[in-house]
Amino acid sequence: AQKITQTQPGMFVQEKEAVTLDCTYDTSDQSYGLFWYKQPSSGEMIFLIYQGSYDEQNATEGRYSLNFQKARKSANLVISASQLGDSAMYFCAIQTASKLTFGTGTRLQVTL
Amino acid sequence: EPEVTQTPSHQVTQMGQEVILRCVPISNHLYFYWYRQILGQKVEFLVSFYNNEISEKSEIFDDQFSVERPDGSNFTLKIRSTKLEDSAMYFCASSEAPSHSYGYTFGSGTRLTVV
Repeated sequence: AQKITQTQPGMFVQEKEAVTLDCTYDTSDQSYGLFWYKQPSSGEMIFLIYQGSYDEQNATEGRYSLNFQKARKSANLVISASQLGDSAMYFCAIQTASKLTFGTGTRLQVTL
Repeated sequence: EPEVTQTPSHQVTQMGQEVILRCVPISNHLYFYWYRQILGQKVEFLVSFYNNEISEKSEIFDDQFSVERPDGSNFTLKIRSTKLEDSAMYFCASSEAPSHSYGYTFGSGTRLTVV
């Protein structure tokens, strides 16, 4: 079975600062994918970034980067230059076979 | 950009009634999924569907639930006799292939309230 652990239920960051959201995972599969999704208050799930287990380089998508440390089984999301619109719930997820397993999420609040 | 469309966005139903949640996946995607999120909790996998049959289902997906692809575009989730604990946001998702490198596209969700 797969498991995702997000230990930060809530985080605050000042506008324009960088923030790291933690995610650790557990799986016995050798091939897997790691995802981050953003869920604003409106409820939709917005894909942010993906990292494959065999990818040697950390994934980046604009202001988002994924700090992938395979030996430590961690896949932290780094958001640079935070914006007020980044305030939302953030979910880390692992995909093996045909399903995603999500963590409990981190609520990020960006302040002025 | 292609998107997954879910209808309705909100549904209120009485306990014991049947509900059908509808989804239109991205046209060239072959794999379809339903997830649910009880308010304030994490997103949970319900079922995956490919080639007109269920590929995998979770323990949540009991006999009260069923999925169907009635035509070439729609993908539906039916709950036969709703319970209060079925109140949740239901997300449909689709992907080109089950391999994780293809990723998923989620719909905006249907918020189901059972009263």
